[in-house]
Amino acid sequence: SQQGEEDPQALSIQEGENATMNCSYKTSINNLQWYRQNSGRGLVHLILIRSNEREKHSGRLRVTLDTSKKSSSLLITASRAADTASYFCATDASTNAGNNRKLIWGLGTSLAVNP
Amino acid sequence: GAGVSQSPSNKVTEKGKDVELRCDPISGHTALYWYRQRLGQGLEFLIYFQGNSAPDKSGLPSDRFSAERTGESVSTLTIQRTQQEDSAVYLCASSLEARDTQYFGPGTRLTVL
Repeated sequence: SQQGEEDPQALSIQEGENATMNCSYKTSINNLQWYRQNSGRGLVHLILIRSNEREKHSGRLRVTLDTSKKSSSLLITASRAADTASYFCATDASTNAGNNRKLIWGLGTSLAVNP
Repeated sequence: GAGVSQSPSNKVTEKGKDVELRCDPISGHTALYWYRQRLGQGLEFLIYFQGNSAPDKSGLPSDRFSAERTGESVSTLTIQRTQQEDSAVYLCASSLEARDTQYFGPGTRLTVL
């Protein structure tokens, strides 16, 4: 089952506006990662935030993590048409004692930025 | 350096045929993952290789699916007796170590007629 759940499922905004996507998860995590997927092919890693971090920035991207609420948000500022893509969150909930070291993926948010 | 590559990029096959998909990870990456993504859906984990450890096959949907990896190099995903529901994009990813950032290949789009 998918641990990460993104919302909204789809988001349509105008170029220049900010886009906010959220991700909720169920278990304790080591880190949470955000990825972008264009045209249904390979994903590109955007940013990783560790469980002891609360906020990270990368260019126009801002990611927050609230472990008490088990949620994260991805903010894209001053959006561009090229930001049109699907955005996925993935959580690492593995433990050193276990062999379950795969990421758990959400179903994604489809973002459309209209010129 | 070179990224993750996958071949073929597209594969059209008839129901009942076997197919083999290939993934070449980034050199030096010990972890390798296979995912399936149906149209408009999220990623579905299939199998994970980590070094010489036994692979995590918990995501394989049926015994028609199998995968191999030789050491820390190329991996092949084999689907036997393909069904129409196997139609999807099959994505491969590798990472330096488990839990690290995953680098994805462009995927193989499989269409089963």
